[in-house]
Amino acid sequence: LAKTTQPISMDSYEGQEVNITCSHNNIATNDYITWYQQFPSQGPRFIIQGYKTKVTNEVASLFIPADRKSSTLSLPRVSLSDTAVYYCLVPRRGYSTLTFGKGTMLLVSP
Amino acid sequence: NAGVTQTPKFQVLKTGQSMTLQCAQDMNHEYMSWYRQDPGMGLRLIHYSVGAGITDQGEVPNGYNVSRSTTEDFPLRLLSAAPSQTSVYFCASSYGVRGGTGELFFGEGSRLTVL
Repeated sequence: LAKTTQPISMDSYEGQEVNITCSHNNIATNDYITWYQQFPSQGPRFIIQGYKTKVTNEVASLFIPADRKSSTLSLPRVSLSDTAVYYCLVPRRGYSTLTFGKGTMLLVSP
Repeated sequence: NAGVTQTPKFQVLKTGQSMTLQCAQDMNHEYMSWYRQDPGMGLRLIHYSVGAGITDQGEVPNGYNVSRSTTEDFPLRLLSAAPSQTSVYFCASSYGVRGGTGELFFGEGSRLTVL
C-alpha cells in the first residue's frame, strides 16, 4: 500500500507562506504525486501534480526531492479562504486506484 | 461539459431499503470511483472501475454494489441500507491514475441518511 503520511493539522496567519509535507516512501517509479484541496460540503479539487523537482502553477508550488519519497506543497501568502483540508495522493503500488489519507487541516487566521 | 454529475444530492432511507446513487461523466474518462466521507474523516474508497465492464473493490466495499456498463455511468447500489452507511458519497473520474493522468474530477456529493 503506497501509504502517505501528512500532519493532521497546521495553523497559519494571513499573508504567510505555508508548507505542507507528505511522505510517500513506497512510490512507484512512474507515479506522480497529486495534491487536492477540500472545503466543507464539497468534493476535493485538484491543486497541483508533479513527478520530480519543482512544479508551479497559479495557486501553489510542489517541491519533490530526488529520491521522491516525500513532497512539499507550498502555498504562498495564504488567505482566510485557504482554510481547508489538503490531501496528498499517490497511486497504490500494484493497484490502478487512488486512496485518500486523512489529509492536513489548514486553519488560516486573521 | 457538465463534468461529473451525481444524483440525488440528498436522500433519506429507512434501514433495509435499497437505492442507487447515480454518477455520470461526460469527459470520456476511463477511470471512475466512489468514495464515502464521514465527519472528521478523509475519503474512503468503496469501489472503482478502470473501464466499461471492469470493476473492483476498494477499502470499504461491503454493503455496496457497482456496475459499469458504459464509459459514462457508474451507479452505486446500496443493497440493504444500514445506519452505518449514513455518509456523504462522492463520485470521481479521471483519464487514469498513473503517468500524470490522475487528476480526479469530483461530483458535488450525495448526502445519505439511513434511519
